[in-house]
Amino acid sequence: DVKVTQSSRYLVKRTGEKVFLECVQDMDHENMFWYRQDPGLGLRLIYFSYDVKMKEKGDIPEGYSVSREKKERFSLILESASTNQTSMYLCASRRRGLTDTQYFGPGTRLTVL
Amino acid sequence: GIQVEQSPPDLILQEGANSTLRCNFSDSVNNLQWFHQNPWGQLINLFYIPSGTKQNGRLSATTVATERYSLLYISSSQTTDSGVYFCAVVSAAGNKLTFGGGTRVLVKP
Repeated sequence: DVKVTQSSRYLVKRTGEKVFLECVQDMDHENMFWYRQDPGLGLRLIYFSYDVKMKEKGDIPEGYSVSREKKERFSLILESASTNQTSMYLCASRRRGLTDTQYFGPGTRLTVL
Repeated sequence: GIQVEQSPPDLILQEGANSTLRCNFSDSVNNLQWFHQNPWGQLINLFYIPSGTKQNGRLSATTVATERYSLLYISSSQTTDSGVYFCAVVSAAGNKLTFGGGTRVLVKP
């Protein structure tokens, strides 16, 4: 079974702090994704990566950056957290092909005070 | 980009009832998945079904790609079926999953 894990289930940070959200997958998937989910707005893609050190902007990249130094790990970075980044963050991974199944981690519920 | 619409937005069922959830999409797709989001927020894979019919226990799904829709059937619903069901697609011209708005299901005992 594919396993996607995220570093925290719940996280509380203060405005202006630098925040790291980490995601690890154990199935040697090439593609990894970060989404945020907000009531009424659904799931929105922030960034994705199709290989080590490669990244592409999704639909809402502003205020975020990412890092993929190893194939199994994809980090989402909030350089200076703001209250409007309070959200549920979901990581996912998928094999290279567009026709492959995408698997999600358990999510991190981030609150920025 | 591709549009994905799910209906109904909300569904209340009595335990034991059957139901059908619908997903319409606006363009050809390479990939279609159904997910169940549990109360803790995790998205659980139900089906990978860009075309055809699949069954897994009390759940089954059918995608008619030529008519651009997919259906998820829940039979003999249980309270553990409660949650939000999402349909997501990768368009033939795209490279990332686009999600529908979801159907929120509540199964009452």
